[in-house]
Amino acid sequence: QSALTQPASVSGSPGQSITISCTGGSSDIGAYNNVAWYQQHPGKAPRVVIHDVSLRPSGVSDRFSGSKSGNTASLTISGLQAEDEADYYCSSFTRSTTHVFGSGTKVTVL
Amino acid sequence: QLQLQESGPGLVKPSETLSLSCTVSGGSISTPKKYWGWIRQPPGKGLEWIGTIHYTGDTYYNPSLKSRITISIDMSQNQFSLKMTSLTAADTAVYYCAKDEGTSWYHDWGQGTLVTVSS
Repeated sequence: QSALTQPASVSGSPGQSITISCTGGSSDIGAYNNVAWYQQHPGKAPRVVIHDVSLRPSGVSDRFSGSKSGNTASLTISGLQAEDEADYYCSSFTRSTTHVFGSGTKVTVL
Repeated sequence: QLQLQESGPGLVKPSETLSLSCTVSGGSISTPKKYWGWIRQPPGKGLEWIGTIHYTGDTYYNPSLKSRITISIDMSQNQFSLKMTSLTAADTAVYYCAKDEGTSWYHDWGQGTLVTVSS
């Protein structure tokens, strides 16, 4: 199964908002509302910031928000902070009862 | 507080079999609506889903790895395991175990264990 498509990098200045896209197809993102987003700092395990398209786990800042339209999901980080600099991965359930991750996006805070 | 801890060899020879275990503490592995998964990440690369198991024994595998992997569960030890055969250098990665909350998202992760395939 192919990875979901994400931009390799996105950057923004402190305080700005950025959006990361995640494009799949009709057998994954387009078919299910089981999209999650993970933040990963160097040398650390991933941490979920959004699940089920737009839900935030307890303890995650409300600066993180998620949405979906058709075969594309999006993660928006508002009020960008230095600590948001990390790699971000989307994921989705798929029609073959499997799971697929995105290619990953490096977020740089300028 | 749920904790997951991977254990296994850090170095495996090409063509050999990798066996990793994930011990769960602070909660039961037989929670009905939760699943337990393995994810890996080659150095400098992205995440790859390996597979998932439910305490009932139902398993779901990445189609590209399915012929080489087996995930099993041991409720008496509160742990689950990954076995991967015919290893090559391409299998060199950090291997994570994690808990799937039931709707395909992983909240709790182990710290990861680096497995290097080399002679």
